[in-house]
Amino acid sequence: QSALTQPPSASGSPGQSVTISCTGTSSDVGGSNFVSWYQQHPNKAPKLMIYEVTKRPSGVPDRFSGSKSGNTASLTVSGLQAEDEADYYCSSFAGNDILFGGGTKLTVL
Amino acid sequence: QVQLRESGPGLVKPSETLSLSCTVSGDSISSYYWTWIRQPPGQGLEWIGYISYTGNTNYNPSLKSRLTLSLVTSKNQFSLKLNSVTAADTAVYFCARGGSSWLYWGQGTLVTVSS
Repeated sequence: QSALTQPPSASGSPGQSVTISCTGTSSDVGGSNFVSWYQQHPNKAPKLMIYEVTKRPSGVPDRFSGSKSGNTASLTVSGLQAEDEADYYCSSFAGNDILFGGGTKLTVL
Repeated sequence: QVQLRESGPGLVKPSETLSLSCTVSGDSISSYYWTWIRQPPGQGLEWIGYISYTGNTNYNPSLKSRLTLSLVTSKNQFSLKLNSVTAADTAVYFCARGGSSWLYWGQGTLVTVSS
C-alpha cells in the first residue's frame, strides 16, 4: 500500500484561507469514513485536528474544517494565524491498516 | 487527564531487538485500542500497528514479520518489540490511544540504531 498523496508545501497570509489535499484510492480515502488530520509543530507530538472526515475534537478552533470528495480529503484552515504554521498529516483507514500522507508544510507568510 | 509516556533504550545495535514500553495514566489499558507510530528524522509519520484492549493486534504489513505488540495489564502499559533492526528503523517512536485516530499521544522517544 502506498502512502496518501499530499502537496509538500502550502502557504497563505494571515487572515486568508488555505486548503490542503490528501489523495488516495477507493480502497482507503474514497472508501473510508475514518480520515483524520494532524498538526505537528517542530519536535512536538502530532495533534488531532479532524477525525472521521469532518469532526473536530473539543478545543480545536472552528477555523479548521475537513471534507472529502471521491478519493480526496481536504483540510481547510480559515483565518490563518501565525501559530497555524506547522506540518499537517492526513491518515486513513485502508482495509485493516492505516495509511499516512507524506505531510504538508504550511507556511504563514 | 490521560497521559502516555514512552520508555526504553535510546540506542540499539543493528540486528538486535528494539523494545519500548508506553505507560498510560488517567485511563485504563483495558479500554480502547493502543497504537504505535514512528517518524524517522526529518520525515513523515508511519503507522506501526495497534493492539486492542482484548489483545488483538494489527500490524503494518511492512513490519509484520519483525513486530510484536503486547499489553502489560498489571502495569497499565503496552509494549513494542521490533526484531532484527537496521538503520532504517531509526526514528522517534510515539505511542497513542485509539485505533483509527489519536487524540492522546506520548511525547515520543528517539531510538537510534547504530553500532
